[in-house]
Amino acid sequence: DTGVSQDPRHKITKRGQNVTFRCDPISEHNRLYWYRQTLGQGPEFLTYFQNEAQLEKSRLLSDRFSAERPKGSFSTLEIQRTEQGDSAMYLCASSSLGRTMNTEAFFGQGTRLTVV
Amino acid sequence: AQSVTQPDIHITVSEGASLELRCNYSYGATPYLFWYVQSPGQGLQLLLKYFSGDTLVQGIKGFEAEFKRSQSSFNLRKPSVHWSDAAEYFCAVGAGWNQGGKLIFGQGTELSVKP
Repeated sequence: DTGVSQDPRHKITKRGQNVTFRCDPISEHNRLYWYRQTLGQGPEFLTYFQNEAQLEKSRLLSDRFSAERPKGSFSTLEIQRTEQGDSAMYLCASSSLGRTMNTEAFFGQGTRLTVV
Repeated sequence: AQSVTQPDIHITVSEGASLELRCNYSYGATPYLFWYVQSPGQGLQLLLKYFSGDTLVQGIKGFEAEFKRSQSSFNLRKPSVHWSDAAEYFCAVGAGWNQGGKLIFGQGTELSVKP
């Protein structure tokens, strides 16, 4: 297993364009998380899935953002009509829901989005 | 409200010196606590975690952390810092498994190591 994989690693887009990021979690991890990290800050929770169900969305996830996890495997995060304020590192993480507690989350290397 | 505070934004230590990074949390229930490290432009790597039991936990790369419930703290320590330890360090508190397991991060502490 090569860990959590995110694609692309870097994305530069013009304001107003749509972008989509992909995350491939560790095999058989049933939980998948998206976080956003701006410069000089810690990651902030955006949303998470348990299998294919999106169970929680942060207030940070405006209606321009949509995330999916079809079939409970990979996930996509789409941002429509990008704004300069969307420039950030988008991190994906996955974890396994154990019998008694969740295990730690493993993070991908992130997608760096720059909106110009 | 759940929160994590890392009081030190930037710390510089000499190579070979000891290190302590501070972390305070606010959480209503028994916390799950984590320390992650992030190199520039990279994702986060888990250093260590505390779920329950022994309050002194050992992690990778020679790091350890001590959970002190009375002080709501989970400070990270290393007896002798190496130049390769220069990075950003994040403390996080995790929601329980039945609350989704999401993480709340502090702002991070940037560690610089002097030769």
